[in-house]
Amino acid sequence: AQSVTQPDIHITVSEGASLELRCNYSYGATPYLFWYVQSPGQGLQLLLKYFSGDTLVQGIKGFEAEFKRSQSSFNLRKPSVHWSDAAEYFCAVGRSSGGYQKVTFGTGTKLQVIP
Amino acid sequence: DTAVSQTPKYLVTQMGNDKSIKCEQNLGHDTMYWYKQDSKKFLKIMFSYNNKELIINETVPNRFSPKSPDKAHLNLHINSLELGDSAVYFCASSPSQASGSPLHFGNGTRLTVT
Repeated sequence: AQSVTQPDIHITVSEGASLELRCNYSYGATPYLFWYVQSPGQGLQLLLKYFSGDTLVQGIKGFEAEFKRSQSSFNLRKPSVHWSDAAEYFCAVGRSSGGYQKVTFGTGTKLQVIP
Repeated sequence: DTAVSQTPKYLVTQMGNDKSIKCEQNLGHDTMYWYKQDSKKFLKIMFSYNNKELIINETVPNRFSPKSPDKAHLNLHINSLELGDSAVYFCASSPSQASGSPLHFGNGTRLTVT
């Protein structure tokens, strides 16, 4: 079974600083990997996804993520954080099971941005 | 022009009651889901339907019964509510059931059982 680990429960960064959120996955085959963001009181919104090809993927809102097979990681990065980026971030892995997709989410990382 | 809409947004009820949450998507997607998010923000799949057919049914008490009258709607009915059912329930849809198909979430229904 696949699993996703987000080791950081809570991260605080200053506005304008760079950001890296960690994600490690466990899955036997090549996974489908996603990052979602959840603002307070809202549903999750897709930031980016990786299926194959270029291991550095670009997403919305200036985010990017790098797939590293050797480390089983898919870390999310942003060069300069804005106050509006404060939210909960979820890494997820999808796999095919019986012809349908099953998505497993990590436990999330809460990002706080200080002025 | 909301993509995935759920009603109600908040639901407060007493133990033992029966309640329903409705979900509609106007994205033309084939697949819809119900997820439960607990107080620690952990998201767990409950059910998934593809073109009105149940394809995922996780280990969920049979007090929870999903119904999909058409592929744009997926409702969740809960019988005999318990304190432990308090959570945020998210409806989501995806273009297909194929792997890699991204999920589009509604804004959630916060259920509080007292």
